[in-house]
Amino acid sequence: NAGVMQNPRHLVRRRGQEARLRCSPMKGHSHVYWYRQLPEEGLKFMVYLQKENIIDESGMPKERFSAEFPKEGPSILRIQQVVRGDSAAYFCASSPNRAYSGYEQYFGPGTRLTVT
Amino acid sequence: SNSVKQTGQITVSEGASVTMNCTYTSTGYPTLFWYVEYPSKPLQLLQRETMENSKNFGGGNIKDKNSPIVKYSVQVSDSAVYYCLLCISNFGNEKLTFGTGTRLTIIP
Repeated sequence: NAGVMQNPRHLVRRRGQEARLRCSPMKGHSHVYWYRQLPEEGLKFMVYLQKENIIDESGMPKERFSAEFPKEGPSILRIQQVVRGDSAAYFCASSPNRAYSGYEQYFGPGTRLTVT
Repeated sequence: SNSVKQTGQITVSEGASVTMNCTYTSTGYPTLFWYVEYPSKPLQLLQRETMENSKNFGGGNIKDKNSPIVKYSVQVSDSAVYYCLLCISNFGNEKLTFGTGTRLTIIP
């Protein structure tokens, strides 16, 4: 059973460009979470999605960031007009049910975004 | 609001036992997970503690808002970053909060 897949693993963007990060959850998982890890910091929750729905986006910056999890295909985290401060590792996790209820999340390897 | 605190760094010699603490503040029903991050590997689950399966790990447990993880007879290969994740289920206040991680270094 393949784990959570993220691509690309490394992404370099210039300031002002768009970054698209993809996450394919484990088979059978319909709950996806995105986290950001800034340099020298811990992981911070960004957004929780179920198929076609955003459930909790309380950790998402108000501007330039958006996320989706369509009926078909991977979940996408999009960052528009990237700035240097967006340079971080972005992790995706999936679970078979709501993590708030104590279900284990399975993590992907992360995407390292570098903004030059 | 919820917060999770972890010791930043721990260095011990091979063969020792080590306790890594995770203390939290929150309202609501908690589940605490421990994950380990080895270099270039995804986070792996180590331990899950709930109010139902709460045990006295290293002198603390989730009911006391302290859920440590204990490793006995550590090896150099146990060197990694250990993260504590607090999941809170509470209507209107459901949260996922990571600690900043404990970097464990084992000296041969």
